[in-house]
Amino acid sequence: EPEVTQTPSHQVTQMGQEVILRCVPISNHLYFYWYRQILGQKVEFLVSFYNNEISEKSEIFDDQFSVERPDGSNFTLKIRSTKLEDSAMYFCASSAGGGGQPQHFGDGTRLSIL
Amino acid sequence: QQQVKQSPQSLIVQKGGISIINCAYENTAFDYFPWYQQFPGKGPALLIAIRPDVSEKKEGRFTISFNKSAKQFSLHIMDSQPGDSATYFCAVQGTSYDKVIFGPGTSLSVIP
Repeated sequence: EPEVTQTPSHQVTQMGQEVILRCVPISNHLYFYWYRQILGQKVEFLVSFYNNEISEKSEIFDDQFSVERPDGSNFTLKIRSTKLEDSAMYFCASSAGGGGQPQHFGDGTRLSIL
Repeated sequence: QQQVKQSPQSLIVQKGGISIINCAYENTAFDYFPWYQQFPGKGPALLIAIRPDVSEKKEGRFTISFNKSAKQFSLHIMDSQPGDSATYFCAVQGTSYDKVIFGPGTSLSVIP
């Protein structure tokens, strides 16, 4: 069964450093998403991406965050200057359709900011 | 503003028993209601989903019951097994809401 893959599985970074989280969505999917889960809390939406542009972003997704689809297979989340409160699990998801269609999640990247 | 409420927060069920998790939502614009299962260290996995044109959907041991007028839906796990022990999230989506809005989650433990 096709799956969303994310790398790395764990990233440890010093506060203030830039970090890039990588995702390979399911190959025929057109809609891409990033979510965040702080330890013990619910999963929160960060951003959705379609047709090479952001379609929606949450208030969490401020100017320190950016997303990119650099080629036909990868989808990345960049945090420009990490803060302690960015420590969380980051999940990538993809969907064949837009709103109201099933989204499939990767196993996440655990980001630890020191 | 909590758009999706979920209860209970945690649940302990004997092997073979029925696990029931309830969710309520506020916005009638939602039209897709998935349940996700999450094991420790893993991402949320789509378990089963329903649209509001039906009141019940069954897949194996998992059933969603949906009450559109009450804006509530629930997950029933029949013959619960220790391997079902996980965190379960109800969620809502809509044609005008591209994102998945998750409930706070229910930690299920199935004991032998």
